Amino acid sequence: DSGVTQTPKHLITATGQRVTLRCSPRSGDLSVYWYQQSLDQGLQFLIQYYNGEERAKGNILERFSAQQFPDLHSELNLSSLELGDSALYFCASSVVSGKNTGELFFGEGSRLTVL
Amino acid sequence: AQSVAQPEDQVNVAEGNPLTVKCTYSVSGNPYLFWYVQYPNRGLQFLLKYITGDNLVKGSYGFEAEFNKSQTSFHLKKPSALVSDSALYFCAVRDRTSGTYKYIFGTGTRLKVLA
Repeated sequence: DSGVTQTPKHLITATGQRVTLRCSPRSGDLSVYWYQQSLDQGLQFLIQYYNGEERAKGNILERFSAQQFPDLHSELNLSSLELGDSALYFCASSVVSGKNTGELFFGEGSRLTVL
Repeated sequence: AQSVAQPEDQVNVAEGNPLTVKCTYSVSGNPYLFWYVQYPNRGLQFLLKYITGDNLVKGSYGFEAEFNKSQTSFHLKKPSALVSDSALYFCAVRDRTSGTYKYIFGTGTRLKVLA
């Protein structure tokens, strides 16, 4: 158990809909990362938050947004869903400080299926 | 830009034989390199990392990785493969630009250990 919790584990929805994925990082970790893993593909970095502030953006679509709350949990909002958004969405956390050399700890992922 | 390449989509090895999963990187500055493993329908699990020091890094489950600066490689190795090692392996590099940290993952290599 990595200590990172993601909900829901599975989600099936229709095109055009909106969903919210939730992530609780490990206790004490200030930074949260979101990744997308499509079928048979690698991990695409979406976005990173650190202590409530957006720190880095990757290949995140304008239809997607995220935030990190004061209690450090994070939510990834996906709207106007398309078939191609079907994927595994991973959250990872890390302590992250100026001298941190630590690894990321991943949750089990949220599998989104858009029909 | 920092990048990671995993040149093999799949590696097949017989149980008991040594295995190697290849990774090359491109970074500016000192590289922070990581290996992760992903079992079906699970999140990524950290195996090992290279930050500095000895070029041979030992990690979980008997895995080790050799850092080679001149060849910009960080290959994952295990002296004797087990069927249970069959999984998807990701190499990653930490990218520090504009004062923030991103973790860039390779496309993954599927390891198949044959009984």
